Amino acid sequence: QLQLVESGGDLVEPGGSLTISCAASGVTFRETFNSYYMSWIRQAPGNGLEWISYISGTGNTIYYADSVKGRFTISRDNAKNSVFLQMNSLRVEDTALYYCARVAYSGYDYWGQGTPVTVSS
Amino acid sequence: SYVLTQPPSVSVAPGKTARITCGGNNIGSKSVQWYQQKPGQAPVLVIYYNGDRPSGIPERFSGSNSGNTATLTISRVEAGDEADYHCQVWDSDTFHYVFGTGTKVTVL
Repeated sequence: QLQLVESGGDLVEPGGSLTISCAASGVTFRETFNSYYMSWIRQAPGNGLEWISYISGTGNTIYYADSVKGRFTISRDNAKNSVFLQMNSLRVEDTALYYCARVAYSGYDYWGQGTPVTVSS
Repeated sequence: SYVLTQPPSVSVAPGKTARITCGGNNIGSKSVQWYQQKPGQAPVLVIYYNGDRPSGIPERFSGSNSGNTATLTISRVEAGDEADYHCQVWDSDTFHYVFGTGTKVTVL
């Protein structure tokens, strides 16, 4: 059973930077982490889900939501079964619980429990 | 950008049928996924490819998609079905994943 664990969420001042991580465990012997396409999705308090970014298995294909393009960078380290989200120029409206999830069926079949990011002075 | 619209709330009595809609321009041409999210928990995929169920999801959950509306149907509703439900598509025009606004299902 694949497990995704996010970490690195913190309280940051507006304009600041933060990098959050997602570590995968339970990758089966028939698969490798580089066969998993991954995304970051966030949920502001009391709000719905907002897709943020996508990265292919090799990292060669990356997409961003317009709300974060130019400020956030997604990356991965397949040797460490991990995906990262570097967030720069953070704004108050970036405050949310950030989930990583595995892409499947044009959607997401495995989700982590999320890591909270608060942007406030 | 592509927009998915859901009703904010749906109320249903136990044992009855709940229908949650997800509206989008020509959504029938896209593949729709549905997620169940209970308070304090991560979303769980309950329907993919419009109407398929992952293993472990009860047959009471079904989906359909045509025209400008996709629908998640929950039959014989139970108290444990009370949750937020989110629809989602992949927009191949913008290479973006898009989530609906979310619907809170209340079991009376």
